[in-house]
This record gives sequence, C-alpha cells and structure tokens, in this order.
Amino acid sequence: DQQVKQNSPSLSVQEGRISILNCDYTNSMFDYFLWYKKYPAEGPTFLISISSIKDKNEDGRFTVFLNKSAKHLSLHIVPSQPGDSAVYFCAASVHYLYTGKLIFGQGTTLQVKP
Amino acid sequence: KAGVTQTPRYLIKTRGQQVTLSCSPISGHRSVSWYQQTPGQGLQFLFEYFSETQRNKGNFPGRFSGRQFSNSRSEMNVSTLELGDSALYLCASRAERTDSYPYGYTFGSGTRLTVV
Repeated sequence: DQQVKQNSPSLSVQEGRISILNCDYTNSMFDYFLWYKKYPAEGPTFLISISSIKDKNEDGRFTVFLNKSAKHLSLHIVPSQPGDSAVYFCAASVHYLYTGKLIFGQGTTLQVKP
Repeated sequence: KAGVTQTPRYLIKTRGQQVTLSCSPISGHRSVSWYQQTPGQGLQFLFEYFSETQRNKGNFPGRFSGRQFSNSRSEMNVSTLELGDSALYLCASRAERTDSYPYGYTFGSGTRLTVV
C-alpha cells in the first residue's frame, strides 16, 4: 500500500516558467510534509516543508500548497531554472516531532530546458 | 558546519557476506535515520535511532540491524547479503529542538552497496 504517490514520473518545463509537482497521500494521520530534491549519486536535499495545520508555505522561488480535504500537495517553482533539473520527492510523516520515519513518494524527474 | 558523513561511499560485497555502514550526523544532532533507495522500491525507511535507542523500525528483515553510539554516530549492519540488497543506503540526521521543527532531515550522500 503506497501511502504517498507521485503520479507523474517526469515533467519538462521551459526556463523561466512555472514548474508544478504534485503529490497525493492516503493516510489522514500525516501531520507534516516535506519536499526534497535529489541529484544522481547524492543524498536528497531538503527544500521546503509544511505542517498539516497550514495550507501554504513559501520560501523564495518555492511554494508548497496543501489541500487536506483532497489529500493533495503540490510544489510550485517560479521561475524555473536549469539548475532545478533533478528528481523531486515528496515525503510525509506521522508525529513528525517524535519520529524520523518519512514515507516517500516515488519521485518526479524535473527537466528545465534553457 | 560539516554535513552528514557516510562511509564508505562505495562497497562491493559477495552474496552471503555481511557489511557495516557508518554514519556521522551533523554535530548536535541526536536523531539518525537510515533509508534504502532502489530503482524499484524508491526510498524506504529502515530504522531510526535517538539517544542510542531504536525509536522506529521499517519493514525490513532481521538481517538489517543498526546501532547508535553515545556520540550519536550510527552504524547499520546487513548480514547474509542477498543480491536484492544492492542499493543506495542513506543516512539522515536532525536536531531534536522545537525551534528546529520546521526543518527537514539532512541526508548524507549515501553508501552505494553492490552485492555480486
């Protein structure tokens, strides 16, 4: 049972445009969500997170939106840059303050074309 | 400040052998988690240690074990290696203070284990 799903394996956008990466989850007990970026042969790099009590969080070019009723979150990157090309993972946690267990989606490969 | 350090970066082992991987967390971080990444299964949680105690465990067989030392450094061990254990093993650490709550785990670069 895959509790966190990223249904789009890949996404291609033009430099300067908006990139929207989506993630769906099934477990209503998740109280914290995170997005990570990963380059080949490196560990994931934390991008942005959001608590379940919020519906939006912004950090520079990155914004995460959470729709609890739809059990859906999305990551917006504006404007997209070629250096953003990587694999993006969404992750979720139950009782994030007290556990290190993150449930990851399968990842979406983002390609930003110059 | 130094990030999460994992050693070795690459490892080749023969089926049936055992292997120990090491992780040094960011200074001051007491929570260490381990993940396995494979093309088919993605990133899967192995276990988490906090203050030398296993706080959480994923759905992996008992061949996978770990421990944490008093300086927060952690090791994971895989015994009787199988071909399917070939993967990237990632370690992550975070602080356990409420003022760091908004922040995610910091991952190391991983150990690439190949079982032949």
